[in-house]
Amino acid sequence: NAGVTQTPKFQVLKTGQSMTLQCAQDMNHNSMYWYRQDPGMGLRLIYYSASEGTTDKGEVPNGYNVSRLNKREFSLRLESAAPSQTSVYFCASSGVGGGYEQYFGPGTRLTVT
Amino acid sequence: EDQVTQSPEALRLQEGESSSLNCSYTVSGLRGLFWYRQDPGKGPEFLFTLYSAGEEKEKERLKATLTKKESFLHITAPKPEDSATYLCAVLLYGNKLVFGAGTILRVKS
Repeated sequence: NAGVTQTPKFQVLKTGQSMTLQCAQDMNHNSMYWYRQDPGMGLRLIYYSASEGTTDKGEVPNGYNVSRLNKREFSLRLESAAPSQTSVYFCASSGVGGGYEQYFGPGTRLTVT
Repeated sequence: EDQVTQSPEALRLQEGESSSLNCSYTVSGLRGLFWYRQDPGKGPEFLFTLYSAGEEKEKERLKATLTKKESFLHITAPKPEDSATYLCAVLLYGNKLVFGAGTILRVKS
């Protein structure tokens, strides 16, 4: 039982390049989330998916797109990376019934130069 | 605007020196409050959920409490392995979490 997995762990991009961050969970959770974490600002929600087939914007969605590929997988895409998107990105998932707590992956550290 | 404020930003303790971390919030529609622990270079690790004022949860040297306006994470006789960043988050309607910036705890032996 791996929980929430994310790939890659580290990535360096040049301004204007695109990339997709991958996330998968094996806990049969309905809801999945993407956050970014910046020093002194805490975790901020980018997008979330309450269930398979639905996605919604969070607090800071500009410059990102998401795809809920199936119940297990939720990807985050940067179409044209900017230095302001340098951050640590975390994926999380939660299930209804057992509680609303979210379980987090190990993160992807992204640097945009 | 929903806001979560944690204090202090950083806390240094000697091993065995008990203390408390604070999480205050101004939100509409609080459904619950979570505490997480985050080690450097890792994702947040879930510790506790509190759903109503007066509720308390304990785990080893940690105890979390909740009032109508704030939550405390009490650390009793801490050890160096308790060093981490502690995050609190409030659960709003729509199952969204709003996080505080965290308290960095360092426990020296």
